[in-house]
Amino acid sequence: AQKVTQAQTEISVVEKEDVTLDCVYETRDTTYYLFWYKQPPSGELVFLIRRNSFDEQNEISGRYSWNFQKSTSSFNFTITASQVVDSAVYFCALSEVGGTASKLTFGTGTRLQVTL
Amino acid sequence: EPEVTQTPSHQVTQMGQEVILRCVPISNHLYFYWYRQILGQKVEFLVSFYNNEISEKSEIFDDQFSVERPDGSNFTLKIRSTKLEDSAMYFCASRHRGGTDTQYFGPGTRLTVL
Repeated sequence: AQKVTQAQTEISVVEKEDVTLDCVYETRDTTYYLFWYKQPPSGELVFLIRRNSFDEQNEISGRYSWNFQKSTSSFNFTITASQVVDSAVYFCALSEVGGTASKLTFGTGTRLQVTL
Repeated sequence: EPEVTQTPSHQVTQMGQEVILRCVPISNHLYFYWYRQILGQKVEFLVSFYNNEISEKSEIFDDQFSVERPDGSNFTLKIRSTKLEDSAMYFCASRHRGGTDTQYFGPGTRLTVL
């Protein structure tokens, strides 16, 4: 069975600080996808990134970067120079590849609070 | 940019009543999903739907739940006889192709069962 663990329940930082959100996953599949979604206070789920299990290159998008390490089954997310608008709950998720379902298995989320 | 829409945004119902939550997936998407998020908890998979049939369902998705794609655009989740513990945010998601694609979520319907 697939499992995603986000050990950090809540993180508080002051604006402009860097922050890393941890994600550790378990799967028996050799091919899978990893995702990060953001849930702002308004409640919707906003897609941030998808990563293929064969692609371990780190990715940077503006202030966001992702570090995928298959050897430690981790897919961590770093926000550089955090801003108040980054305050949200962030979910890491895993899906299998193949089949018609490819459901997402979510972690429990990390609530990020950025203050001035 | 195309997006998944859901109605209503908030539904309040009495225990034992039937509710239908509606979703309009992105128009060229083929795979449809319902997820549930109890307040303050993680998002949980309920059911996936492809080619007019359920492709997978979780143990949460018991006989009280059903899904339907009544026409070419809507995708509905019906809860036959609501219980207090059905109170949650329900998210619809859709995906274009098979497992290599991303699921895009609607804004959610908050269901409150009294």
